[in-house]
Amino acid sequence: DSGVTQTPKHLITATGQRVTLRCSPRSGDLSVYWYQQSLDQGLQFLIQYYNGEERAKGNILERFSAQQFPDLHSELNLSSLELGDSALYFCASSEWGANTEAFFGQGTRLTVV
Amino acid sequence: TQLLEQSPQFLSIQEGENLTVYCNSSSVFSSLQWYRQEPGEGPVLLVTVVTGGEVKKLKRLTFQFGDARKDSSLHITAAQPGDTGLYLCAGRSGNTGKLIFGQGTTLQVKP
Repeated sequence: DSGVTQTPKHLITATGQRVTLRCSPRSGDLSVYWYQQSLDQGLQFLIQYYNGEERAKGNILERFSAQQFPDLHSELNLSSLELGDSALYFCASSEWGANTEAFFGQGTRLTVV
Repeated sequence: TQLLEQSPQFLSIQEGENLTVYCNSSSVFSSLQWYRQEPGEGPVLLVTVVTGGEVKKLKRLTFQFGDARKDSSLHITAAQPGDTGLYLCAGRSGNTGKLIFGQGTTLQVKP
């Protein structure tokens, strides 16, 4: 158990809908990262938050947004869903620092039908 | 854009064989991490290497960070079926802490 909790584990929704994925980081970790993993793209970095503020942005679509709350949990919002958004979405957390280790949650498998 | 290229992408070997997975980049990373991922699960951290030339051992797994901190390798000695999985290298980029992942190496060890 990495200590990072993601909910829900599975999500099936229709095209055009909006969903929210939730992540609780390990106790004491201030940084949260979101990644998307699909079969043909591997693990793609979406966005990072540190202590409530956006710190780095990757290949995140404009239809996607995220935030980190004062209690450090984070949510990833995906809207106007398309079939191609079907993927595993992972959250990871770490302490701050260039060489600190990142620990991953078990992921949310999103299926858009 | 920083990229990490892993090779080979797929590897199928017999139990007891040795193997090496490579992770290469044209960019320098402040640290590099190796993860193992099982189907439907999140990546699990195996090791972090920080210093150029560093070698770390984890039982039958040996990890090496290149002198210039641009590449790394994972060597498994006497592979076991339990080693089967997706192996990912990830470089830490700049001072943001974000990890750039390689495409992964899918390893299958047959009994």
